[in-house]
Amino acid sequence: AQSVTQPDIHITVSEGASLELRCNYSYGATPYLFWYVQSPGQGLQLLLKYFSGDTLVQGIKGFEAEFKRSQSSFNLRKPSVHWSDAAEYFCAVGAPDSNYQLIWGAGTKLIIKP
Amino acid sequence: GAGVSQSPRYKVAKRGQDVALRCDPISGHVSLFWYQQALGQGPEFLTYFQNEAQLDKSGLPSDRFFAERPEGSVSTLKIQRTQQEDSAVYLCASSLRDRRIQETQYFGPGTRLLVL
Repeated sequence: AQSVTQPDIHITVSEGASLELRCNYSYGATPYLFWYVQSPGQGLQLLLKYFSGDTLVQGIKGFEAEFKRSQSSFNLRKPSVHWSDAAEYFCAVGAPDSNYQLIWGAGTKLIIKP
Repeated sequence: GAGVSQSPRYKVAKRGQDVALRCDPISGHVSLFWYQQALGQGPEFLTYFQNEAQLDKSGLPSDRFFAERPEGSVSTLKIQRTQQEDSAVYLCASSLRDRRIQETQYFGPGTRLLVL
């Protein structure tokens, strides 16, 4: 079955440090890939998405992600985090047998140290 | 413009009670989705509407769950005879056009349901 794995439940980084959140997926073909952020009391917000083409994708709020087919990964990165980046981050994959259903990872909670 | 809104934001119900959760999508959005998000998990799809038509309800966990969108805008998710396992955050999302995955879904803040 298709699945999405976010290996880190929590990650703590210092403000100003770089960030990488991991996402691995299991799917036979090239999937559609997404990163969403969920801040406390707010809805899920799309950070970026990959459908095809350039494997390095730029998103909002200074985030980027790189699709690596050989590693079945779509890791999210940011060169310098801000306290306002503290939130939960979800990776999602376009379901192969449905053109609209997403398969979601369990999320990674980002904690920012001052 | 206004985003997706949901009400109530929090709901505490006694086991066996019926609850109704409301979603106001972005005006003009054709597609509307309901998701269930258990603690420590990602969202799980419940049901999908295109305008007033419920085109997919494959994710509804039991016949105690019912959703409607009678005029193609506001939607209500109803849970009858609530059980403790229904405790979760219920998310609503809307998108401008059809349900293709390329269409960005805009999420509401969710309703946190606790069944005691």
